[in-house]
Amino acid sequence: GAVVSQHPSWVICKSGTSVKIECRSLDFQATTMFWYRQFPKQSLMLMATSNEGSKATYEQGVEKDKFLINHASLTLSTLTVTSAHPEDSSFYICSARDGHPRYFGPGTRLLVL
Amino acid sequence: QKEVEQNSGPLSVPEGAIASLNCTYSDRGSQSFFWYRQYSGKSPELIMFIYSNGDKEDGRFTAQLNKASQYVSLLIRDSQPSDSATYLCAVNTPLVFGKGTRLSVIA
Repeated sequence: GAVVSQHPSWVICKSGTSVKIECRSLDFQATTMFWYRQFPKQSLMLMATSNEGSKATYEQGVEKDKFLINHASLTLSTLTVTSAHPEDSSFYICSARDGHPRYFGPGTRLLVL
Repeated sequence: QKEVEQNSGPLSVPEGAIASLNCTYSDRGSQSFFWYRQYSGKSPELIMFIYSNGDKEDGRFTAQLNKASQYVSLLIRDSQPSDSATYLCAVNTPLVFGKGTRLSVIA
């Protein structure tokens, strides 16, 4: 199946700093990528849909100014958590489509101290 | 509010048995259905997708879809301890996920 990578896999930062997470489709072009967040023992919650060359579409309740998404190429989308706070600590997972089935990256675990 | 419901489990089955995982969804217009497996601390891994009513088989896995009943299931034959994980049902695009069913296969 298609491969999606994420970097970094782990990040620990101080409250108030910004963190950038990269999502890459390695062997296919993805015009659309999705960003999810998963808290412990919870299911995945869609944060936003990232479209190459255009603005991201955010789900209700997700602050677009806090979670900046850039989809600059067909193989790369980035999520920047600005002014991170402890409540932003979570498992962030990106997803990309190769045809219809959806493949997920390995995830980025963020811990904000 | 579009919802996907799953029994959280845990569902415990002996090794070699058939594990049956169920999922219901609220959006009658849903067209695409997915089953993912998620090991603890890892991201979801696609197991099966199904679009049409009926059964779809892939190795030890069978997905069953009944759109009239708004019901999709996953059967795992000859369950192995390595199948122990949380199984997530997801519907549509963008995906709406259930909370997952935790499966434990006892050796």
